Amino acid sequence: SQTIHQWPATLVQPVGSPLSLECTVEGTSNPNLYWDRQAAGRGLQLLFYSVGIGQISSEVPQNLSASRPQDRQFILSSKKLLLSDSGFYLCAWEKEWLDSDNYGYTFGSGTRLTVV
Amino acid sequence: KQEVTQIPAALSVPEGENLVLNCSFTDSAIYNLQWFRQDPGKGLTSLLLIQSSQREQTSGRLNASLDKSSGRSTLYIAASQPGDSATYLCAVSPPGGGNNRLAFGKGNQVVVIP
Repeated sequence: SQTIHQWPATLVQPVGSPLSLECTVEGTSNPNLYWDRQAAGRGLQLLFYSVGIGQISSEVPQNLSASRPQDRQFILSSKKLLLSDSGFYLCAWEKEWLDSDNYGYTFGSGTRLTVV
Repeated sequence: KQEVTQIPAALSVPEGENLVLNCSFTDSAIYNLQWFRQDPGKGLTSLLLIQSSQREQTSGRLNASLDKSSGRSTLYIAASQPGDSATYLCAVSPPGGGNNRLAFGKGNQVVVIP
């Protein structure tokens, strides 16, 4: 079956520390993958997307980076966290939907990051 | 740039009432529209996807309609239950993927009162 995994679920990190969030998908190949951030009371903001291994596009300039070392693995990183990096981070996968020719999005369970 | 608006931002209804959640988008050139549910501190769960050629989709007590020409979608939840309390997000997808991805509304926060 096709699934998406994201971890950790929650994370508390001090300012200036590094970050690594991981997302993996199963049951598919060459998926389009996305990292979003959801701030409190606001909608989702697309941070990075990847259409293949080593291919990363950034939507907004920030303190974060992303990498895709394997086809089904997408990593969100930072060398030095800022207070403003706190938020809810979601990984998403664009997948074929319900045996149709259409594509929908499936999200991971999210990571709540608190920078202190 | 596509903008998605959801009204009302928050609402409370007594159990058993029907819920009507509205979503509007500024650019009618969409590939599909997707409704998600998000529980506090959780990820997004997809509820319904309506292709641009469709007018509505139904799943159980949920029905979503799409009027692409007027840039509107409505999510109906019949006979609401306390378990329906959550934030409901509407998202539209333009043709193609990549950086032309889903544009999300900020959500309708729903509380169903027992």
